[in-house]
Amino acid sequence: QKEVEQDPGPLSVPEGAIVSLNCTYSNSAFQYFMWYRQYSRKGPELLMYTYSSGNKEDGRFTAQVDKSSKYISLFIRDSQPSDSATYLCAIPNQAGTALIFGKGTTLSVSS
Amino acid sequence: NAGVMQNPRHLVRRRGQEARLRCSPVKGHSHVYWYRQLPEEGLKFMVYLQKENIIDESGMPKERFSAEFPKEGPSILRIQQVVRGDSAAYFCASSSGTDYGYTFGSGTRLTVV
Repeated sequence: QKEVEQDPGPLSVPEGAIVSLNCTYSNSAFQYFMWYRQYSRKGPELLMYTYSSGNKEDGRFTAQVDKSSKYISLFIRDSQPSDSATYLCAIPNQAGTALIFGKGTTLSVSS
Repeated sequence: NAGVMQNPRHLVRRRGQEARLRCSPVKGHSHVYWYRQLPEEGLKFMVYLQKENIIDESGMPKERFSAEFPKEGPSILRIQQVVRGDSAAYFCASSSGTDYGYTFGSGTRLTVV
């Protein structure tokens, strides 16, 4: 089993929809969870950063961690065409020396 | 405050040549990471460096690839005798070392012909 798994999509939604992006991970020792957004031909940019379980909200974005099922989610409310990008979940490796990324989910929001 | 600067943005090399990719971290960041992104494979960790030290190179291919982060100047990822399979986007990231919020550069797209 891979350390971090993410459905690559693509995911297409109309403007204003609620989007749910998900990742599963294998190591229950993981404590930090990150979401990055990557626009085409650009580098990833940090979107959300959570520690342990629970929810974290930032504007239209909510990151959720369920440690019991090793499941992390990113919700986007009132999605906009400018949200069209690839979203990558990331978790630090056990040594804390690198981030392990999911393959990314490509999202397209149509106006 | 400039972010992570990578150059060149695009690099074309013939098989067997050397490729040198440069990365200047965010000012004040002393931790540098190199990642490679291949289509359908996602972002893969290659190496983690601090000034003058390689901390973790577990993701680096054993041959032809090397990285350095000297006391002065940018970090360099060097690929010797490039092959077609080295064609990819190479991203550099930096951090202050106090958290996992890396800042990424825009990448160098290497094409081997």
